[in-house]
Amino acid sequence: SQTIHQWPATLVQPVGSPLSLECTVEGTSNPNLYWYRQAAGRGLQLLFYSVGIGQISSEVPQNLSASRPQDRQFILSSKKLLLSDSGFYLCAWSVRVTNTGELFFGEGSRLTVL
Amino acid sequence: KNEVEQSPQNLTAQEGEFITINCSYSVGISALHWLQQHPGGGIVSLFMLSSGKKKHGRLIATINIQEKHSSLHITASHPRDSAVYICAARFGNEKLTFGTGTRLTIIP
Repeated sequence: SQTIHQWPATLVQPVGSPLSLECTVEGTSNPNLYWYRQAAGRGLQLLFYSVGIGQISSEVPQNLSASRPQDRQFILSSKKLLLSDSGFYLCAWSVRVTNTGELFFGEGSRLTVL
Repeated sequence: KNEVEQSPQNLTAQEGEFITINCSYSVGISALHWLQQHPGGGIVSLFMLSSGKKKHGRLIATINIQEKHSSLHITASHPRDSAVYICAARFGNEKLTFGTGTRLTIIP
């Protein structure tokens, strides 16, 4: 069966510090991978998605970046965090073949920037 | 503009009550998802549908394409159903657009 792991679960970081959130998927190959952010009182916002190794599409301008060094690994990074980067970050995957595929989410990472 | 609206924002009910959460969208879609977000934040996909009705245990999801409306029903609600329920729509081949969620609280 497929599983998705995301870590760390909770992170408190000072403004200006770097960030690295990691997500790995098991039990499937060639997944579409996604990073979402959920700000308080708002719907999920797509930040990045990837259809393959090294292929990253950015949905919104921001000081975050994403990388996919391996087929089932997706990393969300920042060189210098801003206060506005605080939020709940979710990694997700779907089967690549179809655009109507079901999404499977990780447990999320709660980031607080102080 | 692709929009998804959910109602109500918050819903409190007694254990055993029949629950309905509504989702409306602005234009034609290729798929609609219902998700459940647990208090800890993790999200589980409940349903994905493009027409008709789907049932899983006490949960039922329906969609009316003509009215651009979907509902999530919970029969014989239980405190463990307390969560945030999120509707998300895929407009054509575009990315998913998410509603802001309905916070459901079931009181024993």
